[in-house]
Amino acid sequence: QVQLQQWGAGLLKPSETLSLTCAVYGGSFSGYYWSWIRQPPGKGLEWIGEINHSGSTNYNPSLKSRVTISVDTSKNQFSLKLSSVTAADTAVYYCARLVFNSGYPKGYMDVWGKGTTVTVSS
Amino acid sequence: QSVLTQPPSVSAAPGQKVTISCSGSSSNIGNNYVSWYQQLPGTAPKLLIYDNNKRPSGIPDRFSGSKSGTSATLGITGLQTGDEADYYCGTWDSSLSARVFGGGTKLTVL
Repeated sequence: QVQLQQWGAGLLKPSETLSLTCAVYGGSFSGYYWSWIRQPPGKGLEWIGEINHSGSTNYNPSLKSRVTISVDTSKNQFSLKLSSVTAADTAVYYCARLVFNSGYPKGYMDVWGKGTTVTVSS
Repeated sequence: QSVLTQPPSVSAAPGQKVTISCSGSSSNIGNNYVSWYQQLPGTAPKLLIYDNNKRPSGIPDRFSGSKSGTSATLGITGLQTGDEADYYCGTWDSSLSARVFGGGTKLTVL
């Protein structure tokens, strides 16, 4: 049973860098892409980006200039950095496993972390 | 404004059936598989349907998915109060080169 455990700073000031990490337990790390998705309060889901075990990334074009996703295969972990945050980046951030049986980038998220609430406020 | 369009809310009585629509275009639903997610209040999304109409292990057959052209539909039969949640459709958009979601539909079981 694959489980994702995520953590990171929950309160940031404007212009700071958001940093979150997600650890993968109980399953294979390679053979999947690993995603970050966020959900602003009372709103829908927004895909941020994803990475595979080799470090190949794919980012949401609307966030690409501020996002870096990295991987540490020795620990089965992947991380998100979002720079120059503003109040608009306040959201619950989820990590998730992407399955792409029909070929990348097609796919779906089948395992999700519990989410980390990040608030940006001065 | 979401790339995929869902109704903001739907409602039905316990035991009844409900459908939730997800409308897109040829760059997303029209040429890619659709997945559906259930988000119970205060929890992370959970995969309900993948590849348009497949159910992961453990998802009851009360939940079904279909796709026609540039639209997809989630169906739920035998509604239970525990089905009250937000439901999201998702797919890949080839023009945007991005994963996209619908705005979500809140299901109320009256």
